[in-house]
Amino acid sequence: NAGVMQNPRHLVRRRGQEARLRCSPMKGHSHVYWYRQLPEEGLKFMVYLQKENIIDESGMPKERFSAEFPKEGPSILRIQQVVRGDSAAYFCASSPPGAESYEQYFGPGTRLTVT
Amino acid sequence: AQTVTQSQPEMSVQEAETVTLSCTYDTSESNYYLFWYKQPPSRQMILVIRQEAYKQQNATENRFSVNFQKAAKSFSLKISDSQLGDTAMYFCAFMKHVQGNKLVFGAGTILRVKS
Repeated sequence: NAGVMQNPRHLVRRRGQEARLRCSPMKGHSHVYWYRQLPEEGLKFMVYLQKENIIDESGMPKERFSAEFPKEGPSILRIQQVVRGDSAAYFCASSPPGAESYEQYFGPGTRLTVT
Repeated sequence: AQTVTQSQPEMSVQEAETVTLSCTYDTSESNYYLFWYKQPPSRQMILVIRQEAYKQQNATENRFSVNFQKAAKSFSLKISDSQLGDTAMYFCAFMKHVQGNKLVFGAGTILRVKS
């Protein structure tokens, strides 16, 4: 059973460009979470999604950031018009439905660098 | 809102010795989960150990054990027989006991194991 997959692992964007980060959850997992880790800091929750639904986006910046988890395909975190402050590691985690949904499995992360 | 505090930014320990990492948290919830995650230089987030708040018995996973003091809202991690491969950033995290919920992380403690 493959783990959580994220791509790309490294992404370089110039200021003003768009960044698209992809996350494929583990097989059988229906919950996806995105976290951001700024340099020298802990992970901060951004958004929690289930298939075709955003459940909790309380950690998402109000502008330029959006996330989706379509019926088919990976979850996408999209950052429009990137700025230098968006440079960070973005981690995706997934969990199964039901009683074991507390168990979150993390992907390897995408390191975004904005130049 | 829940908060997690790790008061030790950095710790060092000699190989084969024991070290304890501290974590306190603040919540009004009565039922929740607590976790310790390890982040080695590869930046992959690895679950070390989990504790359910309703369980009085402290969790143990091989060389890793916790001291969970619910009244004091304290959740420390003890690593016995430290190994060089334990060198990593360690994060304490809190989750409400709700199906599919976000993790709240502390700022982390860098642990260096010396030979």
